[in-house]
Amino acid sequence: DAMVIQNPRYQVTQFGKPVTLSCSQTLNHNVMYWYQQKSSQAPKLLFHYYDKDFNNEADTPDNFQSRRPNTSFCFLDIRSPGLGDAAMYLCATSTGLAARASTDTQYFGPGTRLTVL
Amino acid sequence: AQTVTQSQPEMSVQEAETVTLSCTYDTSESDYYLFWYKQPPSRQMILVIRQEAYKQQNATENRFSVNFQKAAKSFSLKISDSQLGDAAMYFCAYSTYNTDKLIFGTGTRLQVFP
Repeated sequence: DAMVIQNPRYQVTQFGKPVTLSCSQTLNHNVMYWYQQKSSQAPKLLFHYYDKDFNNEADTPDNFQSRRPNTSFCFLDIRSPGLGDAAMYLCATSTGLAARASTDTQYFGPGTRLTVL
Repeated sequence: AQTVTQSQPEMSVQEAETVTLSCTYDTSESDYYLFWYKQPPSRQMILVIRQEAYKQQNATENRFSVNFQKAAKSFSLKISDSQLGDAAMYFCAYSTYNTDKLIFGTGTRLQVFP
């Protein structure tokens, strides 16, 4: 089945130690998103790629970076994780068709829960 | 700026009964989409139902239906014949035609009792 896959599902890192979370998709969607979701809160968009075009949210800290080497993969790099970065990180995809022939549903992965010690 | 408000942090319903989750939003756009997403505990977020603002007819998906009141900027979700598997966090979300971004409400946690 076509899907959005996130690895690992659980990641533990140490304060200040760089960590990379990965996302892959078999939907061949143009757009990939990274969200941060803290406990009992709504997902907060960090950034998204439209194809290779990177779109950063204004309030996303510089500590968060992203790479999209090809259509299928997207990575979230946290350069120096702090205790406040402990959260669930969600990857999502959408077709992103400009014509909007149909409503542009986002498809979410299962998330990676990041713990910072 | 567009905002989405869910005023019910928690709701509960008995199995087989009907429950309605509320959502209001604020926008100056005329064309937009509205969504309800479901996030079960420890499981991924999935789309429940979506509505195009230009459509007057309320969307329905099996036991799930919406009451879309464009003038009032209200978008409630009705779950009929509630099942134990409906227990989850429900997020109302909004997006416009010219952006790929979703704006989420703060969520409503739904508990279903047998």
